[in-house]
Amino acid sequence: GNSVTQMEGPVTLSEEAFLTINCTYTATGYPSLFWYVQYPGEGLQLLLKATKADDKGSNKGFEATYRKETTSFHLEKGSVQVSDSAVYFCAQGGSGNTPLVFGKGTRLSVIA
Amino acid sequence: DAGVIQSPRHEVTEMGQEVTLRCKPISGHNSLFWYRQTMMRGLELLIYFNNNVPIDDSGMPEDRFSAKMPNASFSTLKIQPSEPRDSAVYFCASTPPSGHDNEQFFGPGTRLTVL
Repeated sequence: GNSVTQMEGPVTLSEEAFLTINCTYTATGYPSLFWYVQYPGEGLQLLLKATKADDKGSNKGFEATYRKETTSFHLEKGSVQVSDSAVYFCAQGGSGNTPLVFGKGTRLSVIA
Repeated sequence: DAGVIQSPRHEVTEMGQEVTLRCKPISGHNSLFWYRQTMMRGLELLIYFNNNVPIDDSGMPEDRFSAKMPNASFSTLKIQPSEPRDSAVYFCASTPPSGHDNEQFFGPGTRLTVL
């Protein structure tokens, strides 16, 4: 079945460091791909998405590119801030109104 | 736009008691999902509805859990009787009609503690 694999955390970085969180997926067809972020004590919220191959999603300085050839959607940010400390979830969408398939989440801690 | 609304935000109860969690999806959305999140098991899909009809409840842990969606604007997740291992954060999410890339909109969650 469809699945999403993302790098295990926790990831601890210093402020202004470069961030990469790897995400790969297995799916039939070409699903939409998402990154969600969960700040402490809150629900998940959409960070960015891409709906077809080579699309780049971006938001708040984060970027991810839909790579069909490597079935990947790695999340990157050039300079992280303490306020980026959160749990990040990679997900893929199926057809119609079927549930998203989520990765297990990666906890990021950014220290000043 | 009010977003997905969940109530209560926090619930503390004793083992054996009945617990009812509530969710109001975003107006116009026709799919609703219930998730449970724990440190040990991460984010788990419990059940989802399309057009108020339960489609897949294979994630419901056992018969103590039940969910209903009597209309397009309201859903409940009930645990009876509750047990300490049910302690978790329960999220509700909704999705617009097909064609919107399956993006799910999450509520703030209900933190349940069963003593």
